[in-house]
Amino acid sequence: NAGVTQTPKFRILKIGQSMTLQCAQDMNHNYMYWYRQDPGMGLKLIYYSVGAGITDKGEVPNGYNVSRSTTEDFPLRLELAAPSQTSVYFCASSYSQSPLHFGNGTRLTVT
Amino acid sequence: GEDVEQSLFLSVREGDSSVINCTYTDSSSTYLYWYKQEPGAGLQLLTYIFSNMDMKQDQRLTVLLNKKDKHLSLRIADTQTGDSAIYFCADRLRDSGGGADGLTFGKGTHLIIQP
Repeated sequence: NAGVTQTPKFRILKIGQSMTLQCAQDMNHNYMYWYRQDPGMGLKLIYYSVGAGITDKGEVPNGYNVSRSTTEDFPLRLELAAPSQTSVYFCASSYSQSPLHFGNGTRLTVT
Repeated sequence: GEDVEQSLFLSVREGDSSVINCTYTDSSSTYLYWYKQEPGAGLQLLTYIFSNMDMKQDQRLTVLLNKKDKHLSLRIADTQTGDSAIYFCADRLRDSGGGADGLTFGKGTHLIIQP
């Protein structure tokens, strides 16, 4: 089992560019999440999904979009990158209310 | 909304016990978690406790939960240099809508080990 796999590991974007952060899990978890981590600020929930075809906003969804067409994949889309989106992004998955399993993160810099 | 608070830093000597504290505000918490994050890595689940438990022990780790005071602690016995990391307390609230709101995280406690 690979667990939760995130790609890319690092990315530098210019202001206004767009990109998709990929997340895949092979544990057949129904719930998936996207968090961002800023220094000294802990993790903030961006979006989550309780199953294929269902997504919901978290605490900080502005500037992001998600889709969940399969159980395994939960990509996060940034349409118009802004410096405020410089952060480390973590994808996680869980089976219903069980503990979350995290990927190793994507470090994004917007300049 | 739910608020989870932790001290930002804790410094201990190698071989001593470390106690990392966390407070939360919402009494409808179902599970409380401790995650460990090493530099440049993701979050690794260390342990968790169900809200109807007072204590859970797992090798060098002891979790204590005081529901009345909404206080959670993680004790690491015989702290080693490999324990140097950021430790996050996280809270899962009771699922009231059939969905999953994820976890609410504290800002993390940097555990610094002195030789």
